[in-house]
This record gives sequence, structure tokens and C-alpha cells, in this order.
Amino acid sequence: SAVISQKPSRDICQRGTSLTIQCQVDSQVTMMFWYRQQPGQSLTLIATANQGSEATYESGFVIDKFPISRPNLTFSTLTVSNMSPEDSSIYLCSVADRAVADTQYFGPGTRLTVL
Amino acid sequence: QKEVEQDPGPLSVPEGAIVSLNCTYSNSAFQYFMWYRQYSRKGPELLMYTYSSGNKEDGRFTAQVDKSSKYISLFIRDSQPSDSATYLCAMSEVPSGGGADGLTFGKGTHLIIQP
Repeated sequence: SAVISQKPSRDICQRGTSLTIQCQVDSQVTMMFWYRQQPGQSLTLIATANQGSEATYESGFVIDKFPISRPNLTFSTLTVSNMSPEDSSIYLCSVADRAVADTQYFGPGTRLTVL
Repeated sequence: QKEVEQDPGPLSVPEGAIVSLNCTYSNSAFQYFMWYRQYSRKGPELLMYTYSSGNKEDGRFTAQVDKSSKYISLFIRDSQPSDSATYLCAMSEVPSGGGADGLTFGKGTHLIIQP
């Protein structure tokens, strides 16, 4: 399976600021996804990031709040903009590698705390 | 509406016991089913993946799918303390690599294997 890394692994941020999370994969993958995991809640899909096109956002998530870049087949970023304490969560990227299986593999996550 | 139900636990069993973890779902369009294991402060790790009703075995793990009842299970034989983690079920309507679809997750079951 693909090896996925995320930066930063954790951060503590002030209300009103923005944080960009990076996701790097060791092989080219078609599909990359961004999820949020809030305490006591299931993983929730934020958006699907395809190289060369605009990200597709799920209901409840908007581009102004969570802009995403996908400049190539091994890299993506998610920005959490104008943060509030409600944005405190774990943010995870995942990739789909059909050469292995029709499923997704996850990065280690970024633990974000907003004060 | 996509919805997956999973008992959050905690589920505590003695070492060596057989563990049964379950999820129910309401969306009959789900065709692909996965189990992930997540250790504390780590990303989800894929354990099992299947797309057909019946059983699939991998070492001490058996995944069972009953599409007619909309019910999936994960069995762990000869459970070990190292199996202590949160187990997440996930499912999707299309192959996660082939379509613009993410995964729908249960909330996860926290499993504790007592030495």
C-alpha cells in the first residue's frame, strides 16, 4: 500500500488564523480525500481532491473555509481558514490506489487545537 | 441518507477470546465494505476489504457481510492485547478508487483486550 505522510502532525492555533495541512504520498495516486474526525464522531468526508480539477466538497463544507490544492499526483494541501474552536479536530488525508484494492489508505492525521 | 450504526463500546474481553464487532447500515446501495483499525493518535489502518456477501478470512480476522440484512461483522480469533484499538467499519457505493465517492464510516468500537 501507499505510504502517506502529513505535516504538521499537530498544531495549536489561535482563533481567526489559518492552517495549511500537507499530505504527501510515495506513489502516484488518482484520488485523494480529506476527512475530519471529531471526538466521539465518525470520520466525515470533507472533499475529494482530483489532480487538475477543482475539489468536490461534501454537504456542509465549502471551499472558502477549506480550500484544497492538488498540484500533482503525489501531493495535496487542505487549509482550514478563519479558524474557531469548533474546528478543533483530527484532519486526515487518504488515497485510493486501484492497483492494490478499491479502497482507501489513510495518513497519520493532523491533530488541530484552536484556542 | 447514508447512515452506519456501530456500538462505540468500550468492549472489554479477556486475552484469547473471540471478538465480534458489528455494524448495521440503511443504504442498500452500499456494495463495498471495509474494516479499519485505529490506534490512539494514529491514522486508520486497513484490515479487511470485501465487496460480496459471505465470509472473508485473513489470519485471525474474518469479515462477514450480509447484504440482505444490511449487517457486517468482524471476528477476531485468539485476541491479543495488541488488538486493543478502535475498530471502524466503512462502506461505499462504488469502488473508492473509481468514482468521486468517499467512505461512510461508523463511529468506531473501542476494543480492550485484557491480558
